[in-house]
Amino acid sequence: DVQLVQFGGGLIPPGDSLTLSCVASGFTFSGDWMHWVRQAPGKGLVWVSAISTDGSVTSYADSVRGRFTISRDNAKNTLFMQMNSLRDEDTAVYYCVRDLPTRGNFQHWGQGTLVIVSS
Amino acid sequence: EIVLTQSPGTLPLSPGERATLSCRASQSISSHVLAWYQQKPGQAPRLLIYGASSRATGIPDRFSGSGSGTDFTLAISRLEPEDFAVYYCQQHNGSPPMYTFGQGTKLEIK
Repeated sequence: DVQLVQFGGGLIPPGDSLTLSCVASGFTFSGDWMHWVRQAPGKGLVWVSAISTDGSVTSYADSVRGRFTISRDNAKNTLFMQMNSLRDEDTAVYYCVRDLPTRGNFQHWGQGTLVIVSS
Repeated sequence: EIVLTQSPGTLPLSPGERATLSCRASQSISSHVLAWYQQKPGQAPRLLIYGASSRATGIPDRFSGSGSGTDFTLAISRLEPEDFAVYYCQQHNGSPPMYTFGQGTKLEIK
């Protein structure tokens, strides 16, 4: 079975940094694009970032570009999101997501991890 | 950026009825990239439909997707109690790719 198990999250003061991680199993991690998607409390889904199979291509939503960095370690089947200069509006549940090849859709989701940015 | 607009915002229906949810794109998109998701409270979303009309693994055949260009539809033929949830459409475009979701339609019990 495909599993995406997320780690990290918590209560973070504005301006601080945080790293989320996601350990994948049950599929060939190095063969798929991966994403982070977030959801603010009571709000809809917002795509945050994507990374290609080998990490050579990344893309970001305008709201996080320059502050967040997505990366992956294919040897450890792990996806990361380094979040710097956190703002109140970054408060959300963050999901690690596996891409559906050739479609750019989101076929498997992690359990989500809550990040609260507050003083 | 392509904007996806879903309607209605809330759809009150009864079990056994048919649901029709709409997703309109701000410009024409390939049906190849249009997907629908279901999200229940406290849970991660689940992929229902990809390529506008293909059901994901394990999705019951009462769910169907259709559409092309700028107008897409998710239909649920006979609502079961477990179908009451929030539904999102999603697409991607560009290089590097950018991804957008609609704002969601809440399907609630009437």
